[in-house]
Amino acid sequence: AQTVTQSQPEMSVQEAETVTLSCTYDTSESNYYLFWYKQPPSRQMILVIRQEAYKQQNATENRFSVNFQKAAKSFSLKISDSQLGDTAMYFCAPSGMDSSYKLIFGSGTRLLVRP
Amino acid sequence: DTGVSQNPRHKITKRGQNVTFRCDPISEHNRLYWYRQTLGQGPEFLTYFQNEAQLEKSRLLSDRFSAERPKGSFSTLEIQRTEQGDSAMYLCASSPGTGYEQYFGPGTRLTVT
Repeated sequence: AQTVTQSQPEMSVQEAETVTLSCTYDTSESNYYLFWYKQPPSRQMILVIRQEAYKQQNATENRFSVNFQKAAKSFSLKISDSQLGDTAMYFCAPSGMDSSYKLIFGSGTRLLVRP
Repeated sequence: DTGVSQNPRHKITKRGQNVTFRCDPISEHNRLYWYRQTLGQGPEFLTYFQNEAQLEKSRLLSDRFSAERPKGSFSTLEIQRTEQGDSAMYLCASSPGTGYEQYFGPGTRLTVT
C-alpha cells in the first residue's frame, strides 16, 4: 500500500518567520505528482503548490516553495514570511503513485502562526 | 468558474436512514472524486469518475455506499442504512482532463445520531 507520512502533527511559527513542513512517501512509480493542500479551520481544502516528479526544479508559488528529493522520497513545504492567514492544517498528497489519479493524503500538520 | 459545489452542507440523520449528497464539479472537468474525512485526519479516497464511468472504488466503499454520475456532470453519493461510523465530512473534488491537481468543494458534514 502507498503511504504518506507527515511526522509533525503540530507546528508553531512567529509571524514573518519561515517554517518548513515535512512529508515522506512510499512508491515504486517513477512518474507521479505531489501536492500540498491547505485546510483552514472550518473552510475548504485549497491547493497550495504542485510538483511533477519528473522535474528536478523545485516548485515555487510566491511565499511557498518545496524541497523535492526524489531518491529520498521526501517533499517538504517551506513557507516564508508567515502570515496569520497561513494558520491551517496542511496536507501532503501525492497522486499517481499506483497509476491512479486519486490523492493519497498524509495525516496533516496543524500550523499555528503567532502574532 | 464558480468552483465545486456540494449540497447539502450539513446533514443530521438517524441511524438506519438513507442519505444522498450531491456534487457539482467545475464546468468541463471530466474527472470527479469523492473522499471522506474524519475529525483530525486526512481525507480518504472513496471513488472516482471519468465522465460518467466509475473507474475506481476504494474498499472503504461498502455495499451500503453507491455513487453515480449520470451524463458525466453532477454526481450523487448515497449511503443506505446509515451507521454512527458514517459520521464524517464527505468531500468532492474535480479535475480537468489534463493534469492531476484536484479542486475541492466545501464538503457535506454528516452526523448520524
